[in-house]
Amino acid sequence: NAGVTQTPKFQVLKTGQSMTLQCAQDMNHNSMYWYRQDPGMGLRLIYYSASEGTTDKGEVPNGYNVSRLNKREFSLRLESAAPSQTSVYFCASSEVRDSGAFFGQGTRLTVV
Amino acid sequence: GENVEQHPSTLSVQEGDSAVIKCTYSDSASNYFPWYKQELGKGPQLIIDIRSNVGEKKDQRIAVTLNKTAKHFSLHITETQPEDSAVYFCASRGMGRRALTFGSGTRLQVQP
Repeated sequence: NAGVTQTPKFQVLKTGQSMTLQCAQDMNHNSMYWYRQDPGMGLRLIYYSASEGTTDKGEVPNGYNVSRLNKREFSLRLESAAPSQTSVYFCASSEVRDSGAFFGQGTRLTVV
Repeated sequence: GENVEQHPSTLSVQEGDSAVIKCTYSDSASNYFPWYKQELGKGPQLIIDIRSNVGEKKDQRIAVTLNKTAKHFSLHITETQPEDSAVYFCASRGMGRRALTFGSGTRLQVQP
């Protein structure tokens, strides 16, 4: 049982480049999330998807777009990467009601 | 929106001692409070959670308490072991909200 799988694990981008972070879960969860983790700031929500076909902005959505491709997959796209987007990105999934989220292993992104 | 404050940011204890981490939340409608443990290079892992209709929950050496009146909740780890060393995050979810709001994290170091 893989849980939540993120690819890639590491990535270095130049300013202005674009890329897509992939996430897939095999727990049949309805809700999926993208968080970023920066030192001393905990995890901040970028976007989330309550169910297939829906997406909503979180606390820090600027500079990002998302796609809920199907129930299993939720991708995060950076159209024009900036150094401020250097961070560790986590994808998570959960059932809709009163349950904790399960996290992937993270993608460490560096924008130079 | 919801705000979660977590203290202390770092905590060092001797093996066998107890450790306590405290969090306060701002939204009185919050009804779900999980705790996560994050080891170096890994994603956060759910270790225990509590819902607003319960005051305390235990799981072996770990316990969580909730004071709804004061809007704070705490993680208690007894008989600490070196493998408890990690970063711990508290989180809350408001009524009707999908995503969790996280505290800034506590780095716990258990000295052998």
